[in-house]
Amino acid sequence: DTAVSQTPKYLVTQMGNDKSIKCEQNLGHDTMYWYKQDSKKFLKIMFSYNNKELIINETVPNRFSPKSPDKAHLNLHINSLELGDSAVYFCASSHIAGVNTGELFFGEGSRLTVL
Amino acid sequence: SQQGEEDPQALSIQEGENATMNCSYKTSINNLQWYRQNSGRGLVHLILIRSNEREKHSGRLRVTLDTSKKSSSLLITASRAADTASYFCATRNSGGSNYKLTFGKGTLLTVNP
Repeated sequence: DTAVSQTPKYLVTQMGNDKSIKCEQNLGHDTMYWYKQDSKKFLKIMFSYNNKELIINETVPNRFSPKSPDKAHLNLHINSLELGDSAVYFCASSHIAGVNTGELFFGEGSRLTVL
Repeated sequence: SQQGEEDPQALSIQEGENATMNCSYKTSINNLQWYRQNSGRGLVHLILIRSNEREKHSGRLRVTLDTSKKSSSLLITASRAADTASYFCATRNSGGSNYKLTFGKGTLLTVNP
């Protein structure tokens, strides 16, 4: 069973379109994340939810809107796509139990290409 | 802002040799983690070292942490072609949000058969 699964794996779309990426984890974790990895492999956190509550919201254009219907799911909706949104988006989850825990489990990534 | 900075950016070695990657960071941390990313795949957690630990081992991996220098190293011994991947350090900072894990830019390791 895949621990953190995200769909779609590949997404090619035109500028100006709206698209969504879905993520589900079956690890029973209480915290989920969205990271963006650019063409230079730099990973930057975008959002984090803990028990469906938004706890991290980095400097991300408000065209990006995360939604967590329950603690096993975290979706990412992107409006009015721009060329610079092309990247690989990773979903991850972790269990937070004090300051010394919290290894992340990553999905396989969703490669978004905006033409 | 970038927290971890790996060094070198790329490393090419022969199978059987040891590979050492370094990571420097800027702020106080609760723990530091190392991850591996194979090409086209997600990141996989390798090892976590707490701020009060100095060294940790896991199989062929050895991680050290020097909080006075704000640096860590990952040593892979007796490397194999299958170790070819990008390796990232990530820090969980003390103070502020405990939920945030900040990644470095990664070291691309190539192990030649």
